[in-house]
Amino acid sequence: SQKIEQNSEALNIQEGKTATLTCNYTNYSPAYLQWYRQDPGRGPVFLLLIRENEKEKRKERLKVTFDTTLKQSLFHITASQPADSATYLCALDMGGNKLVFGAGTILRVKS
Amino acid sequence: GAGVSQTPSNKVTEKGKYVELRCDPISGHTALYWYRQSLGQGPEFLIYFQGTGAADDSGLPNDRFFAVRPEGSVSTLKIQRTERGDSAVYLCASSLTAGGVTGELFFGEGSRLTVL
Repeated sequence: SQKIEQNSEALNIQEGKTATLTCNYTNYSPAYLQWYRQDPGRGPVFLLLIRENEKEKRKERLKVTFDTTLKQSLFHITASQPADSATYLCALDMGGNKLVFGAGTILRVKS
Repeated sequence: GAGVSQTPSNKVTEKGKYVELRCDPISGHTALYWYRQSLGQGPEFLIYFQGTGAADDSGLPNDRFFAVRPEGSVSTLKIQRTERGDSAVYLCASSLTAGGVTGELFFGEGSRLTVL
């Protein structure tokens, strides 16, 4: 079955730096991959969707890449702010309208 | 309402009891999902509805879990004979998904279930 790996350790960075989070998966590549943000005690919030034929997608300070050869997606936040501190989840569209989520990576941005 | 609404936000019950969790999706969203999230883990798929029918219930862990969506809007997740291992946050999400493409999911805040 599909396995999704995200950095299990929290990522601590300084305000203003670029945060890079990794999502690796095994087996076959999904047609779509999504990234969500989750704050403590809240439901996940959608950030970006990228298709398998798209190498890169941007939205304001966010950038997502999708490399089907490496079976990896990278999620970047440029000019990071303390308000960006949260858990970031990647999710693979496995077809049949089913999203499979990774465990998430905690990002802490220090001022 | 403007977003996905879930009730109750917190539920504490005793082992062996029956529990119902309710989800009111965004108006007009035909797709509705239930996920379960344990501490330190990502959401785990349980069941997906397209309209009134359960299109995929492959994530339900056993026959103690059941979900309905009788009128294609509000959904109820039902858990019989609860066990301590059922303790988790149950998340509901809705989407404008159509044609086999899973679009953006809009999540509720979740129902935290604690089984003592």
